[in-house]
Amino acid sequence: QLQLQESGPGLVKASQTLSLTCTVSGGSISSVTYYWSWIRQPAGKGLEWIGRVYPTGTTNYNPSLKSRVTISVDTSKNQFSLRLSSVTAADTAVYYCASSWELPNYFDYWGQGKLVSVSS
Amino acid sequence: EIVLTQSPATLSLSPGERATLSCRASQSVDRYLGWYQQRPGQAPRLLIYDASNRATGIPARFSGSGSGTDFTLTISSLEPEDFAVYYCQQRSNWPLLSFGGGTRVDMK
Repeated sequence: QLQLQESGPGLVKASQTLSLTCTVSGGSISSVTYYWSWIRQPAGKGLEWIGRVYPTGTTNYNPSLKSRVTISVDTSKNQFSLRLSSVTAADTAVYYCASSWELPNYFDYWGQGKLVSVSS
Repeated sequence: EIVLTQSPATLSLSPGERATLSCRASQSVDRYLGWYQQRPGQAPRLLIYDASNRATGIPARFSGSGSGTDFTLTISSLEPEDFAVYYCQQRSNWPLLSFGGGTRVDMK
């Protein structure tokens, strides 16, 4: 059974960089045919896809965040990571990592989510 | 960008009743649309993919239909655990993905 777990600081100061890591267990991050994504959800609001990374390191990003986002993969650690620069209060959200393990472009496995708050 | 609009925003029903949720796309997504359920404090769970296929382990009371721009998620008889928020998601506009704003199913 594939499992994903987000980790990283729960509080980030405005204008700084948010950094989160997703650790994958129960499967190899290198072996998936598809990809690994980050998705976020502000409190009481809907889901926003941030971007994806393939095991090769190829990435795609949501155009609304593209200038500030970097997603990378570390196959040796079975992890992938999110960096979001120049954060503001609007970036306060629960951040989920998710995989498209069996179905292309759908999210069939999710982490439990990591609340990140941006302070002024 | 493909925008997904879900309606109604909130649906108030009783256990045992039928729930019908709608998702409308701003342009055709063919059949490349999925549905997720999110219970309070939990991550979303994939229910339906490619409009009408149930994901692994999803009960038969959940069904999806539609194509093009109009899609429906039906819960034939609501169980207590089905009261949650439901999101649609399109994968047609590859490599970009997007979600709808959600429909909350509340207990009347």
